[in-house]
Amino acid sequence: DAGITQSPRHKVTETGTPVTLRCHQTENHRYMYWYRQDPGHGLRLIHYSYGVKDTDKGEVSDGYSVSRSKTEDFLLTLESATSSQTSVYFCAISENGPPTDTQYFGPGTRLTVL
Amino acid sequence: DQQVKQNSPSLSVQEGRISILNCDYTNSMFDYFLWYKKYPAEGPTFLISISSIKDKNEDGRFTVFLNKSAKHLSLHIVPSQPGDSAVYFCAASGGGSSNTGKLIFGQGTTLQVKP
Repeated sequence: DAGITQSPRHKVTETGTPVTLRCHQTENHRYMYWYRQDPGHGLRLIHYSYGVKDTDKGEVSDGYSVSRSKTEDFLLTLESATSSQTSVYFCAISENGPPTDTQYFGPGTRLTVL
Repeated sequence: DQQVKQNSPSLSVQEGRISILNCDYTNSMFDYFLWYKKYPAEGPTFLISISSIKDKNEDGRFTVFLNKSAKHLSLHIVPSQPGDSAVYFCAASGGGSSNTGKLIFGQGTTLQVKP
């Protein structure tokens, strides 16, 4: 199994509060990704990183920001959480990046925004 | 616009039989396809992939077939086992400059293998 951990694994928060999710890898892979999984949508890319301090937006980036100050850590921040951001969030890593590299996923964080 | 579609939300098969999961895509520039398996409360696990230069890739009980003209891929599991019961996602990457190789996932198909 790829060495990927996510914290916290579960979180309940209130609308309007800031939330930060952490993804930590021990594989020293260059590429890291944040996805959300919702019923009927599969997994959708929020943001990704192709190196330290190098990030770009994905398909559903509105309301989210990311930071990557170290190779091993990729943070996802909800500046002001909304109920529509209730979801399961997955981090993924890959060694060589697109288009033919395989992504490996962490265990996920279940976030509930009340 | 759903670029990758799994039109069957669920599939039920008997243990020992073949499971066939299907996936259709619309972007003819996709050039790499993957299948992931997901158990409840866990992250997706990579199963098998195929490049657009091939039409078949096999790994043990799992075989992926790619039909580029039909923009269709399928995952065959033979023989199916109860432990294969999970949600299966297909994903595609490539897609030209508008996609920059990011993975686009289908909605998933829940496979149930009955003992």
